Amino acid sequence: EAGVAQSPRYKIIEKRQSVAFWCNPISGHATLYWYQQILGQGPKLLIQFQNNGVVDDSQLPKDRFSAERLKGVDSTLKIQPAKLEDSAVYLCASTDFGTGNYEQYFGPGTRLTVT
Amino acid sequence: AQSVTQLGSHVSVSEGALVLLRCNYSSSVPPYLFWYVQYPNQGLQLLLKYTSAATLVKGINGFEAEFKKSETSFHLTKPSAHMSDAAEYFCAVSQGNNRLAFGKGNQVVVIP
Repeated sequence: EAGVAQSPRYKIIEKRQSVAFWCNPISGHATLYWYQQILGQGPKLLIQFQNNGVVDDSQLPKDRFSAERLKGVDSTLKIQPAKLEDSAVYLCASTDFGTGNYEQYFGPGTRLTVT
Repeated sequence: AQSVTQLGSHVSVSEGALVLLRCNYSSSVPPYLFWYVQYPNQGLQLLLKYTSAATLVKGINGFEAEFKKSETSFHLTKPSAHMSDAAEYFCAVSQGNNRLAFGKGNQVVVIP
């Protein structure tokens, strides 16, 4: 079974520029998450989708971050405009509640550097 | 709100020695608890999980953890460290909707 795919793996941009990250979850997983992992810290949940609906975006900085999951499969996370403090690894994860597994499967992440 | 505390950001252990990583949680309801491992430039991989069944949980790569409600702890252990265990380890707690709250992590260094 293919894992969670993310692209790009690395991105360097200047502050005030825009950037977008893409995630393709494991086939059949209805729930998708985006996490932000700042160096030296654990991942912090930004947004959770169930199919194409948002379940929780309470920690998403909505003035600059946006995310969508059209058709309930792939997802895109966008930052516009970027700030220096957005430098982090952005992780995508997916899970299938239906199996009662409770495990989230993580992609390799996108490392963003804002200069 | 749920949270976990992992003390000591860097942990050094000699090859062949016991690995012990401490995790204490805060949760208003019976929690689900997880340990994840992260190798450099990779995503997180599940080591083991507690979901209200047996309190002693065995995971991959020889790791195990014990849920102790009275101590609100879920410490991770491995009897004998290998060089391949060098990685970052995260404890996480979930209360519902499978939303995870992660600790700050422990960077494990294995000394030959």
